[in-house]
Amino acid sequence: NAGVMQNPRHLVRRRGQEARLRCSPMKGHSHVYWYRQLPEEGLKFMVYLQKENIIDESGMPKERFSAEFPKEGPSILRIQQVVRGDSAAYFCASSPSQSGNSPLHFGNGTRLTVT
Amino acid sequence: QKEVEQNSGPLSVPEGAIASLNCTYSDRGSQSFFWYRQYSGKSPELIMFIYSNGDKEDGRFTAQLNKASQYVSLLIRDSQPSDSATYLCAVGLSGYSTLTFGKGTMLLVSP
Repeated sequence: NAGVMQNPRHLVRRRGQEARLRCSPMKGHSHVYWYRQLPEEGLKFMVYLQKENIIDESGMPKERFSAEFPKEGPSILRIQQVVRGDSAAYFCASSPSQSGNSPLHFGNGTRLTVT
Repeated sequence: QKEVEQNSGPLSVPEGAIASLNCTYSDRGSQSFFWYRQYSGKSPELIMFIYSNGDKEDGRFTAQLNKASQYVSLLIRDSQPSDSATYLCAVGLSGYSTLTFGKGTMLLVSP
């Protein structure tokens, strides 16, 4: 499967636990983006990463959220001490370049439910 | 603050009709424009992109861009029930690949 791979598809966490979401970009893509989608809301940009670098984290909440894209392995979005308001669909997308003309290709998403 | 506005809908059209979906954006520096389709509970799927003023056609889909009016639209000809989904407009700046999305317009095509 050459598409963007996200796992897990569904994740249930209790308040206060940690959530780790993983994303492997399409083959040949080195640019990864994380978006969050709340019910009845549009996609909200969170963070843009290249290998080992965070390029733009202007959409990330200041606390509890972090992201990385190591030299080896998938990109990780980490949410510490989850709260009910973190319940959402988290989508990862990738592109082959930084050009504004490169469409983003989305993974199937991780649906996080905080109980 | 970059904003992308879409009517939430639902936009209801009968099968075989033309569906017209509209989107306005606030940042005049925007250079790339994308339409994504999202079925309920699924991920966004790229339908079309347009970079220059005018029309771009791909099968039953036509994207229209008017940078002076900061307006982009998507026309779906011969609408089918399988076209029923939420359509997301996304806008990007030149040389910068992060996209700003509208909230989407729900399209309902009735048989």
